[in-house]
Amino acid sequence: RKEVEQDPGPFNVPEGATVAFNCTYSNSASQSFFWYRQDCRKEPKLLMSVYSSGNEDGRFTAQLNRASQYISLLIRDSKLSDSATYLCVVNGRGYSTLTFGKGTMLLVSP
Amino acid sequence: SAVISQKPSRDICQRGTSLTIQCQVDSQVTMMFWYRQQPGQSLTLIATANQGSEATYESGFVIDKFPISRPNLTFSTLTVSNMSPEDSSIYLCSVTKSSGNTIYFGEGSWLTVV
Repeated sequence: RKEVEQDPGPFNVPEGATVAFNCTYSNSASQSFFWYRQDCRKEPKLLMSVYSSGNEDGRFTAQLNRASQYISLLIRDSKLSDSATYLCVVNGRGYSTLTFGKGTMLLVSP
Repeated sequence: SAVISQKPSRDICQRGTSLTIQCQVDSQVTMMFWYRQQPGQSLTLIATANQGSEATYESGFVIDKFPISRPNLTFSTLTVSNMSPEDSSIYLCSVTKSSGNTIYFGEGSWLTVV
């Protein structure tokens, strides 16, 4: 089983739609979880951290399910500018080393 | 956050040559890392750049191929040695600060080996 798995997509949605991505991880001892956004030919940028209690930032909601070892990202009212690849990131073997998923591609169309 | 500058931003190189990528951070950081992202793949950690000592390499990466320097807390270099087309990739410098475990990335260096 891969350390961090994501559906590569692409997810094609119209503007205004709600879309959700899941990501599963294999290391039950993982402590830190993040969603990063990567635009085409750009570096990854932190979208949000994922906390045990779940957290929301505007149209974005992240949740963690430790029992099933997955995290989710929900995007409400999708905008064209949300089109990007969303990377699930889980801490790997230590405090400062992280494991990246391959990413889920989102395409928002007019 | 941190401002991370990488150069060159992109380059096309002949096979068999070497290229050194520089990473400069605008403030002192705890950890500096070098990642590689091959086309269509996830980011893979090459090594942790240790200030004043040899880098810590991940499985599959060796110092002879990817020598790394970190002379101080704000600067690091990665050299891709004896390049082959398989080394064509984005190379990303990244850092964490002592205030947390969030990782920030430089803009990346796009390398094409022909």
